Amino acid sequence: GQSLEQPSEVTAVEGAIVQINCTYQTSGFYGLSWYQQHDGGAPTFLSYNALDGLEETGRFSSFLSRSDSYGYLLLQELQMKDSASYFCAVRVLNRDDKIIFGKGTRLHILP
Amino acid sequence: GAGVSQTPSNKVTEKGKYVELRCDPISGHTALYWYRQSLGQGPEFLIYFQGTGAADDSGLPNDRFFAVRPEGSVSTLKIQRTERGDSAVYLCASSLSPLNTEAFFGQGTRLTVV
Repeated sequence: GQSLEQPSEVTAVEGAIVQINCTYQTSGFYGLSWYQQHDGGAPTFLSYNALDGLEETGRFSSFLSRSDSYGYLLLQELQMKDSASYFCAVRVLNRDDKIIFGKGTRLHILP
Repeated sequence: GAGVSQTPSNKVTEKGKYVELRCDPISGHTALYWYRQSLGQGPEFLIYFQGTGAADDSGLPNDRFFAVRPEGSVSTLKIQRTERGDSAVYLCASSLSPLNTEAFFGQGTRLTVV
């Protein structure tokens, strides 16, 4: 089957750096995405990694190691508006064809 | 349209009734996904359409759930004989092509079965 593991909650201080980890077990792995969801809102796309390494987009970076079935999202210079849930998602492409989401990490930011 | 549109935004129905949830994807997006999200959980995959056909319906929980996309644009998720356990937010997402990495989500339909 397919499974993704990420911490349920993370707390950090405004202005700091936080890393949210994601490990996955899946067949037909195609790539790893990250989505942000504020309370009552829709998930919004943050980043995508298909190859090993670090992808940087402004304050957010995402990393993937295919050999370790592991990735992380790095948020720098945290702002209060970054308080949200963050989901890692795996694109599966073989006999199945879908995007599978993890259960999400609730990020709490303290002033 | 400018984004993915889902209607209705809220639906309250009685146990045993039939409901239809509509998704209008971004114009030109060929890939369309339906998810279900319960409070505090991640989106749970239901079904994926590429064009008019269901490329993967392995996430539909049982035969009470069915989805169509007859013209390759608007999709309707249909739930028969609703149960209280069906209560959740139903999310629709679309992407430009099957291998496009970014999926755009609608605001969802909150379904409450009483």
